[in-house]
Amino acid sequence: EVQLVESGGGLVEPGGSLRVSCAVSGFTLSNVWMSWVRQAPGKGLEWVGRISSETEGGTSDYATPVRGRFTISRDDSKNTLYLQMNSLKTEDTAVYYCTRARGAGPLYYFDSWGQGTLVSVSS
Amino acid sequence: EIVLTQSPATLSLSPGEGATLSCRASQSVSTYLSWYQQKPGQAPRLLIYDAYNRATGIPARFSGSGSGTDFTLTISSLEPEDFAAYYCQQRGNWPVTFGQGTRLEIK
Repeated sequence: EVQLVESGGGLVEPGGSLRVSCAVSGFTLSNVWMSWVRQAPGKGLEWVGRISSETEGGTSDYATPVRGRFTISRDDSKNTLYLQMNSLKTEDTAVYYCTRARGAGPLYYFDSWGQGTLVSVSS
Repeated sequence: EIVLTQSPATLSLSPGEGATLSCRASQSVSTYLSWYQQKPGQAPRLLIYDAYNRATGIPARFSGSGSGTDFTLTISSLEPEDFAAYYCQQRGNWPVTFGQGTRLEIK
């Protein structure tokens, strides 16, 4: 059974940093692309970024609002995905979902989701 | 960035009725359009990918259609557990984007 379990969310002040984690099971992390998607309270879904599989170089790509502040990484030996968030802004407040990204072709859809972890940025 | 516009914003129907949800893209995304269901307090769940392919375990009452800029999610006969929010998502052009959602509520 595929499972994704996020952890590490919490309250942080503007300008601060936080790292959230996603432990996966039921598949081999190194073989797949992974992505983070967030949802601000009462709002819709927003793609944050992705990391390619190890075999495809492990490269990452980010949405414009977070580029230069957020970094996605992966520890395949621990089957864990990370999202390092720096220089946090109040508008980064959201539930952050870890997702598995699938699909041949230009980009991807998201076939498995974690339960999400809430990141609140406030003074 | 491709903008996805979903309509209606809210749809009020009764169990047993059929539902038709629309997603329109600001430019063509070919058939690279997916649908997700989200219940309150839960993560989204993939229903349909690439316009018409049902994801694993999704009941046959859910179907998707369309190509280019106009897409439809159809629920043939609503079950009580189908009342939720639905989002479309395109992967035809960078960055992937989502629609703003349709809330399907019990009438």
